[in-house]
Amino acid sequence: GIQVEQSPPDLILQEGANSTLRCNFSDSVNNLQWFHQNPWGQLINLFYIPSGTKQNGRLSATTVATERYSLLYISSSQTTDSGVYFCAVPEGGAQKLVFGQGTRLTINP
Amino acid sequence: DGGITQSPKYLFRKEGQNVTLSCEQNLNHDAMYWYRQDPGQGLRLIYYSQIVNDFQKGDIAEGYSVSREKKESFPLTVTSAQKNPTAFYLCATGQGGTDTQYFGPGTRLTVL
Repeated sequence: GIQVEQSPPDLILQEGANSTLRCNFSDSVNNLQWFHQNPWGQLINLFYIPSGTKQNGRLSATTVATERYSLLYISSSQTTDSGVYFCAVPEGGAQKLVFGQGTRLTINP
Repeated sequence: DGGITQSPKYLFRKEGQNVTLSCEQNLNHDAMYWYRQDPGQGLRLIYYSQIVNDFQKGDIAEGYSVSREKKESFPLTVTSAQKNPTAFYLCATGQGGTDTQYFGPGTRLTVL
């Protein structure tokens, strides 16, 4: 099945810093999602981005489908950005999402 | 109030007992999913359903069972056959196919 790898596994930054999270996937996909899991476990949809670039406030994402990777950018980090960031892709044409292991982001005040 | 509700938030079970986790949605989504998350790990698919009265096994279905009698509801039963049931269980919904999935708040199950 498709493999999804995220890097780095952990990232610790000071408030105000910028960060880039990476998601590599092993096969062609027609969809990719980024999620933020808050400290209470809730997964929040950030982006649905099969290709190209999208921006939402301080967050933006870019997927280069031909090279099988996606990047999530967080600018001017805030402590509320802390949590685990997951990317997920569908396997083949199936309904299931395959998740990466996540990047744990800690923003210190 | 719209969205996906899961209950209970925390659940404790003795070994050998079956327990049922509830997932309800009022988003009118056709597809519903159950995922399991272990500490420090990503999510893995247990079961999914694209339509009422139909469901398919995911990657880790052994020891679990589901039903889909109503569009709004997709309960998950963790049976005594599940060897390591302690985990965080997340329900999701979507329009199906490769469309966006939306997640409920989760249920933390602990086996005592």
